[in-house]
Amino acid sequence: AQKVTQAQTEISVVEKEDVTLDCVYETRDTTYYLFWYKQPPSGELVFLIRRNSFDEQNEISGRYSWNFQKSTSSFNFTITASQVVDSAVYFCALSSLNQGGKLIFGQGTELSVKP
Amino acid sequence: EAQVTQNPRYLITVTGKKLTVTCSQNMNHEYMSWYRQDPGLGLRQIYYSMNVEVTDKGDVPEGYKVSRKEKRNFPLILESPSPNQTSLYFCASSVTPPLGEQYFGPGTRLTVT
Repeated sequence: AQKVTQAQTEISVVEKEDVTLDCVYETRDTTYYLFWYKQPPSGELVFLIRRNSFDEQNEISGRYSWNFQKSTSSFNFTITASQVVDSAVYFCALSSLNQGGKLIFGQGTELSVKP
Repeated sequence: EAQVTQNPRYLITVTGKKLTVTCSQNMNHEYMSWYRQDPGLGLRQIYYSMNVEVTDKGDVPEGYKVSRKEKRNFPLILESPSPNQTSLYFCASSVTPPLGEQYFGPGTRLTVT
């Protein structure tokens, strides 16, 4: 069975702190894709990143970085120097070729960045 | 602007009154899908469509219907809504999942009383 676990339900930080959101996944497929989405208070789902299972290179995009480690089945997301606008619910998701394109979401981590 | 649109954005209705939530994308995506989001249950797939005239059930299809007569549109139909279908609904589209990221519409908040 495929599963995504985001153990941190809520995280609260003060502006400018770094914060890491954890994501652990389970799959038996050798080819799969991992995603992060952001859901701000306005409610929409915003795509942040996609990684495939063959590419373990870490990625950095501005203040955002992602650490993909197959050995631990983790795909963690770090926000450096957090800002109030980063306050949102963040979802990690998994998809594979034989799942009909379905995204399997984690439960989400609600990040609150206080000024 | 590339986007997925949903209408209506908010809807309050009564049990048993048929309703349709429309979804349209302008990115020529082959794949479209519907999800519902509920507190404590997260996001779950309702139905998906790999291409025109091809639809299939997701994890929670009971009480819903879909159709895909045109590539750009993928309406979600609730023939006889019930209170347990009160939820936040998202439509999504993608080039060819999982190779392409899924783009989500703004969401439709449905309340069934």
